Amino acid sequence: QKEVEQDPGPLSVPEGAIVSLNCTYSNSAFQYFMWYRQYSRKGPELLMYTYSSGNKEDGRFTAQVDKSSKYISLFIRDSQPSDSATYLCAMRGPTGTASKLTFGTGTRLQVTL
Amino acid sequence: SQTIHQWPATLVQPVGSPLSLECTVEGTSNPNLYWYRQAAGRGLQLLFYSVGIGQISSEVPQNLSASRPQDRQFILSSKKLLLSDSGFYLCAWSVSRYSNYGYTFGSGTRLTVV
Repeated sequence: QKEVEQDPGPLSVPEGAIVSLNCTYSNSAFQYFMWYRQYSRKGPELLMYTYSSGNKEDGRFTAQVDKSSKYISLFIRDSQPSDSATYLCAMRGPTGTASKLTFGTGTRLQVTL
Repeated sequence: SQTIHQWPATLVQPVGSPLSLECTVEGTSNPNLYWYRQAAGRGLQLLFYSVGIGQISSEVPQNLSASRPQDRQFILSSKKLLLSDSGFYLCAWSVSRYSNYGYTFGSGTRLTVV
């Protein structure tokens, strides 16, 4: 079993739709949770960063963490064609040089006109 | 502000040829540095990471090696490329003292071994 599971998609939605992207994980030591967005042929860029359980909102994006269920989500409201990209979740344990990021495999999102 | 540079963007190399990919970071000192390979449908595979000059940890045994000759320079090398070395190679850095932050990635090198 992988430490982090993420549905690879592709996920196709019409412009304006609400998108829900999800990851599950098995390591209860994970405390920091991130979402990266990666456009085709580019490096991933950090989109959202959260610590422990709860919600965090930034514009059209909301990151949600449920540590009791080991489940994290990224919601995109009013999706735009420019949101078409691969979204990777990432997480890590407590602060320490041995604690590296563990990534999901990414979900490819296509927002159509 | 901190920036990360990675080059070249695209590379086509014959089987058996050597490889050298370079990554440099500006605007920070003593970063943690990482080399990843990304293959379609397989996500990001951590190849090497470094917490300081000359300190390299290998995550996966393979045909590649890494070196860190300077604080903000990270090099990925191979003496003889294999077809299986094709992929998208990404360099990344993170702040070493406050390692709860995420990583910042370079723009990547698409390597095709023919």
